[in-house]
Amino acid sequence: DGGITQSPKYLFRKEGQNVTLSCEQNLNHDAMYWYRQDPGQGLRLIYYSQIVNDFQKGDIAEGYSVSREKKESFPLTVTSAQKNPTAFYLCASQLDWGQGKDTQYFGPGTRLTVL
Amino acid sequence: GENVEQHPSTLSVQEGDSAVIKCTYSDSASNYFPWYKQELGKRPQLIIDIRSNVGEKKDQRIAVTLNKTAKHFSLHITETQPEDSAVYFCAAKNYGGSQGNLIFGKGTKLSVKP
Repeated sequence: DGGITQSPKYLFRKEGQNVTLSCEQNLNHDAMYWYRQDPGQGLRLIYYSQIVNDFQKGDIAEGYSVSREKKESFPLTVTSAQKNPTAFYLCASQLDWGQGKDTQYFGPGTRLTVL
Repeated sequence: GENVEQHPSTLSVQEGDSAVIKCTYSDSASNYFPWYKQELGKRPQLIIDIRSNVGEKKDQRIAVTLNKTAKHFSLHITETQPEDSAVYFCAAKNYGGSQGNLIFGKGTKLSVKP
């Protein structure tokens, strides 16, 4: 899991601003994911991508956008349309979609606070 | 869609005692069940997983059991140590589903008192 990095570690945003969270992996993994973690809520899926140039909405995609132009990178933009963006954001990756290759490895997370 | 419920939400044990965390799932087609440990401010890390063709799996002090009929699976930690203190998440996944994504429980905060 050391092969997944997220930046920044802490991010402060004013209301009305868009911010982009970085996620990079050097594990040669095909699939990448973004989760949001709130206290007592577990991990909720925002977006995921199984392959370059393709991504799908998760359970709570409203107010977020992503891109997957390179295999190594899966940035998440939190837009001003996201009403309650303060949370801990986790990026994850897995080798591919098949059984036995599906262990998800997580990045260290970005804590976003809206001021 | 799949729904995963996890109990208890908090668990406090004395060092050396056993701890058991239980999860139930709703989709009988789910066939992969990982457990993650998350220390305060850190990333979740996989500690053990089980697939639906196996009823039990053990790794040193950690074991997971799966009851497909009742649709529940449990994490067992024996001889607990203070470093076991963390939040533990269960998850379920259905490979046959259109998405095949992990659905997580809400977590159990385990405190091991020395």
